Amino acid sequence: DPKIIQKPKYLVAVTGSEKILICEQYLGHNAMYWYRQSAKKPLEFMFSYSYQKLMDNQTASSRFQPQSSKKNHLDLQITALKPDDSATYFCASSHPGTGNERLFFGHGTKLSVL
Amino acid sequence: GDSVTQTEGLVTLTEGLPVMLNCTYQSTYSPFLFWYVQHLNEAPKLLLKSFTDNKRPEHQGFHATLHKSSSSFHLQKSSAQLSDSALYYCALSEWNNNAPRFGAGTKLSVKP
Repeated sequence: DPKIIQKPKYLVAVTGSEKILICEQYLGHNAMYWYRQSAKKPLEFMFSYSYQKLMDNQTASSRFQPQSSKKNHLDLQITALKPDDSATYFCASSHPGTGNERLFFGHGTKLSVL
Repeated sequence: GDSVTQTEGLVTLTEGLPVMLNCTYQSTYSPFLFWYVQHLNEAPKLLLKSFTDNKRPEHQGFHATLHKSSSSFHLQKSSAQLSDSALYYCALSEWNNNAPRFGAGTKLSVKP
């Protein structure tokens, strides 16, 4: 059984619309992350949360907003979608600590913006 | 800031030949280094990570040695297998930052 669940697996959206990518983890981790992978920028860090608090943010655009309603949830809301947002979005989790902790990744949500 | 540089693009090898994928880094502090592997249509997963006590990590025949003097953490394997074909990422994190930053990735293609 997958321990990090991302929904949906595939998502098609029109330019200008808004979508929410869902991530739930059942590993008991308190740190969660979003990464983005596209042909232009492989595995780019976006956000990190620890104990439901934003720890780091490398995404310049405010169109990307993480939402953590529970400690094992970290959803990603994307507004005013653009074709350049097309990518696979990976959620990950780990134990928070000294920085030497491995990441566990979900299987990703592949977003296509038309 | 911290950054990771990997062997660019595609590395093609014949099965049985040795593998070496380069990774060098820049870091303000003493970083932790990782290698992640991503097979086609799968999620990235940890292959190995550096130890704080300078031991050499090994997994599935792969090993990497952290050389602080040259800021490197090259990935090596003595004999490539067809199943090693994948995308390999070198990643770095620092003691106060739990979010590893990834290099550009190196695609390894092993041919019979």
